[in-house]
Amino acid sequence: GQNIDQPTEMTATEGAIVQINCTYQTSGFNGLFWYQQHAGEAPTFLSYNVLDGLEEKGRFSSFLSRSKGYSYLLLKELQMKDSASYLCAVENNAGNMLTFGGGTRLMVKP
Amino acid sequence: DSGVTQTPKHLITATGQRVTLRCSPRSGDLSVYWYQQSLDQGLQFLIQYYNGEERAKGNILERFSAQQFPDLHSELNLSSLELGDSALYFCASSGPGSGYKPGNTIYFGEGSWLTVV
Repeated sequence: GQNIDQPTEMTATEGAIVQINCTYQTSGFNGLFWYQQHAGEAPTFLSYNVLDGLEEKGRFSSFLSRSKGYSYLLLKELQMKDSASYLCAVENNAGNMLTFGGGTRLMVKP
Repeated sequence: DSGVTQTPKHLITATGQRVTLRCSPRSGDLSVYWYQQSLDQGLQFLIQYYNGEERAKGNILERFSAQQFPDLHSELNLSSLELGDSALYFCASSGPGSGYKPGNTIYFGEGSWLTVV
């Protein structure tokens, strides 16, 4: 089975940097996704990590350590529109199923 | 717009009833996934189809069933509905290949809001 943990809520200030952590314990692992979801809307793809290390995409970066079962999403230069839930999702080793964590609700304050 | 289309967007029905949710994947995508999202459960994987065949099953209740048709659209059937089935049901699709590949992202539709009263 899969067990994925993320903080439930975080608050940060506009312009700042925030790191959202995700730890996982899985019976099979292929890669890890991060999605952003605004309330009542569809999740949208942010990043995918399959190898250890940092993947940078503009203001967003994602890190993976397979040996530690750990990932984080780093958001820089926070904007008010970044207020959303951020979902960590583990891909099984058959590559045909994503298991999502409960999501971290990020509130960006002025 | 992800290219995944779901209908209806909103649905209110009574307990014990049956509903069908419909999904059209992105053009060219062969895999369709169904997820349920309720307030206290997060996104729960229900089932995956690839080119008409069931490929993976998650926490899908026996009262629920799905299928993927030759034109690749999919339907999720929910029967004997209970209050606890009220949720946002997402369909998602991904590209060629039966699973996820690096860069082979899964794209979500806007969801179908189901309210059981």
